Amino acid sequence: QIQLVQSGPELKKPGETVKISCKASGYTFTDYSMHWVKQAPGKGLKWMGWINTETGEPTYADDFKGRFAFSLETSASTAYLQINNLKNEDTATYFCAIDYDGFAYWGQGTLVTVSA
Amino acid sequence: DIQMNQSPSSLSASLGDTITITCHASQNINVWLSWYQQKPGNIPKLLIYKASNLHTGVPSRFSGSGSGTGFTLTISSLQPEDIATYYCQQGQSYPLTFGAGTKLELK
Repeated sequence: QIQLVQSGPELKKPGETVKISCKASGYTFTDYSMHWVKQAPGKGLKWMGWINTETGEPTYADDFKGRFAFSLETSASTAYLQINNLKNEDTATYFCAIDYDGFAYWGQGTLVTVSA
Repeated sequence: DIQMNQSPSSLSASLGDTITITCHASQNINVWLSWYQQKPGNIPKLLIYKASNLHTGVPSRFSGSGSGTGFTLTISSLQPEDIATYYCQQGQSYPLTFGAGTKLELK
């Protein structure tokens, strides 16, 4: 069965960097693009962008250009989200998800807390 | 960017009721519309894809309709486990966008 397993919660200070992993199993990793979605505490879902798992080319939504980076380790069927120069407003749960007739499969989410 | 206007933002209903949530896209998205259910502390769960297709394992009391710019999610005979927040999402073009959500509560 398809599973996306994300890394654990992170507590960071403003200005630091965080890298979240999303390990896929149960399917051929390169068959589906990997998407990232942000959910701030008590707020709705916001699409951050996606990475082509065949080519490694990332595409970012406008609000996530600059400090955010998607990457892959294809041999390990793992996608990564890195956030540089963390800000308080980056405090959120970050989900990876694959687009399979809608986002049918999601990681369990990674809570990133940014606090001085 | 395609804006997704979802209404109502909150809804109070009784067990056994039929409820409808609507989503209006700012431009034509054909049938590229998905609906998700999210319970507190849980991940979003896909209910409907391509406007009217029930995802595997989703109870048949959930249904979706619409095309173009107007879409609805209907829950027939509301059950306690349906209490959640519901989101629509367009998949017509990037950036993908979600509605703001509808919080469904028990009356």
